[in-house]
Amino acid sequence: ETGVTQTPRHLVMGMTNKKSLKCEQHLGHNAMYWYKQSAKKPLELMFVYSLEERVENNSVPSRFSPECPNSSHLFLHLHTLQPEDSALYLCASSQEKREGGEQFFGPGTRLTVL
Amino acid sequence: SQKIEQNSEALNIQEGKTATLTCNYTNYSPAYLQWYRQDPGRGPVFLLLIRENEKEKRKERLKVTFDTTLKQSLFHITASQPADSATYLCALDMRTAGTALIFGKGTTLSVSS
Repeated sequence: ETGVTQTPRHLVMGMTNKKSLKCEQHLGHNAMYWYKQSAKKPLELMFVYSLEERVENNSVPSRFSPECPNSSHLFLHLHTLQPEDSALYLCASSQEKREGGEQFFGPGTRLTVL
Repeated sequence: SQKIEQNSEALNIQEGKTATLTCNYTNYSPAYLQWYRQDPGRGPVFLLLIRENEKEKRKERLKVTFDTTLKQSLFHITASQPADSATYLCALDMRTAGTALIFGKGTTLSVSS
């Protein structure tokens, strides 16, 4: 395993539901990320928390709301999603200020919006 | 516009042959280029990183080249095995805040025995 865990692994929700995805890293890293992976499309970076500073991608709809209470935990709060939001949501972490910056990914949450 | 292209969506080769995957980019100047492997239903796993001032990097049966003039990276797997079958992603590391990686769509490699 990579040291990055995600829960739940699978989630089915209706468009009016509110749910949260959770990510935890056990690597002592200081940066965490949310990516969206849809079929036939490259991984899309959604949000970055680096040294506790949030760097936001302005194209992410407001129905996705990240939260990073500390350097080990990251959440993605979801509400009033659309069917096109169905995708694999991946969390990753890395150690900033070190040459390289390779990212360690969790197994992902497969989200289906009905 | 800025683009990353991986040569093909799918590549099929026979066991024992060398697989060569291509990553081309335009309008970027990455400090690093990374390659990841992704198996179905799993997150990507880091394989290799190459710096802009490096021409070549090796790790066991893997070799990566990086030509900043051509804006191209080649990823080679020698003596390929069925277990190498997976999707391979290239990612540009722009060294911006949070090391935001920009990924290509990936090439799915199938190695038949």
